[in-house]
Amino acid sequence: DAGVIQSPRHEVTEMGQEVTLRCKPISGHNSLFWYRQTMMRGLELLIYFNNNVPIDDSGMPEDRFSAKMPNASFSTLKIQPSEPRDSAVYFCASSSPSGAQYFGPGTRLLVL
Amino acid sequence: QQQVKQSPQSLIVQKGGISIINCAYENTAFDYFPWYQQFPGKGPALLIAIRPDVSEKKEGRFTISFNKSAKQFSLHIMDSQPGDSATYFCAASLEGYSGGGADGLTFGKGTHLIIQP
Repeated sequence: DAGVIQSPRHEVTEMGQEVTLRCKPISGHNSLFWYRQTMMRGLELLIYFNNNVPIDDSGMPEDRFSAKMPNASFSTLKIQPSEPRDSAVYFCASSSPSGAQYFGPGTRLLVL
Repeated sequence: QQQVKQSPQSLIVQKGGISIINCAYENTAFDYFPWYQQFPGKGPALLIAIRPDVSEKKEGRFTISFNKSAKQFSLHIMDSQPGDSATYFCAASLEGYSGGGADGLTFGKGTHLIIQP
């Protein structure tokens, strides 16, 4: 079975540009999570969805960040406009109601 | 506020030895405690998890010990091997919310483990 799929794997952009990260969860999983990993702050939960509905977005750092889940097999995390401090690895994870979360390979974002 | 505190930050263990990583949590509502293993350039991978109704869970060389009264849990890696060299994260969450889904994880800061041959 395919795991969580994320694209792109690497993204380099300039400050002020829009960035869109994509995620396809594991088929049959009803929860989807976006995390950010940096050296300074470690792994942080940004937002999560259950059954395509956003449940908790308190971890989203600013209004520049937005996330959507239009259907059970696709989610996006958008940053507009991007800033150098947004540089990080962004992970998507999915889980079934049992709670075990499975992470994707991540998107390494560099904002110049 | 850091809700899950992990120690040590780094750990060096000889091959065949026991690696021990500790975590403490603050939120007494947490009821799901997983450990993740991460290799460079990869996403975290679920290693083992425990719920507070048991004090210990063992899977192969990996054991979680859980102390509910002290709000602490630890990972023990027996017979540590060079292939175990990685960063380990403890985490905690509520098991699920009323809508029937899982809850987001709160992670510790990670432990960089090196197993020397």
